[in-house]
Amino acid sequence: EVQLVESGGGLSLPGGSLRLSCVVSGFTVSRNYMGWVRQAPGKGLEWVSIIYSGGNIFYVESVKGRFTISRDNSKNSVFLQMNSLRAEDTAIYYCAGGPWEFDYWGQGTLVTVSS
Amino acid sequence: IVLTQSPATLSLSPGERATLSCRASQSVGNQLAWYQQRPGQAPRLLIYDASKRVTGIPARFIGSGSGTDFTLTISRLEPEDFAIYYCQQRTNWLFGGGTKVEI
Repeated sequence: EVQLVESGGGLSLPGGSLRLSCVVSGFTVSRNYMGWVRQAPGKGLEWVSIIYSGGNIFYVESVKGRFTISRDNSKNSVFLQMNSLRAEDTAIYYCAGGPWEFDYWGQGTLVTVSS
Repeated sequence: IVLTQSPATLSLSPGERATLSCRASQSVGNQLAWYQQRPGQAPRLLIYDASKRVTGIPARFIGSGSGTDFTLTISRLEPEDFAIYYCQQRTNWLFGGGTKVEI
């Protein structure tokens, strides 16, 4: 059975940092696409970042230079380091991945950026 | 590449047919997926490569189209199908704005 379990969300002050983690079971992170998708309260889905099996990495323009995606193959996990957080980063962050791209999804972790 | 979904809201009754549209601002070939999101739940992949149904997804979900125009058809709506549906393309990973299918 495939499972993606996110953690690391919470409350941050503007300008602060958070590190999201996603532990995957049921498929191998290093052999698949892995990414992060967020959803602001009451809004639609927004792709944030993706890492290919070959290591290519891409970000949505609004997080470039602030967010960093990475993976740890030994832990079959993916991470999202979020720095210089802004109010507009407030959202549920979903970890997603698979052979197509976002075949499987976690339940999400809430990130709130507020003073 | 921008994806535009229409209509924003579709009001139908159980048993009726739903037709959802997703239009790309330029060709994406067949590199398009459809997701369903029920209230309070994570999205789930229904269709990939425009028309391939994920294992376990009921046959009433039908994806079609290529290039710039895509359609998700739900042949006969079941109560659990009332949800928000998003299209997404692989060229730049962006999602459409969603279509809410409501009773």
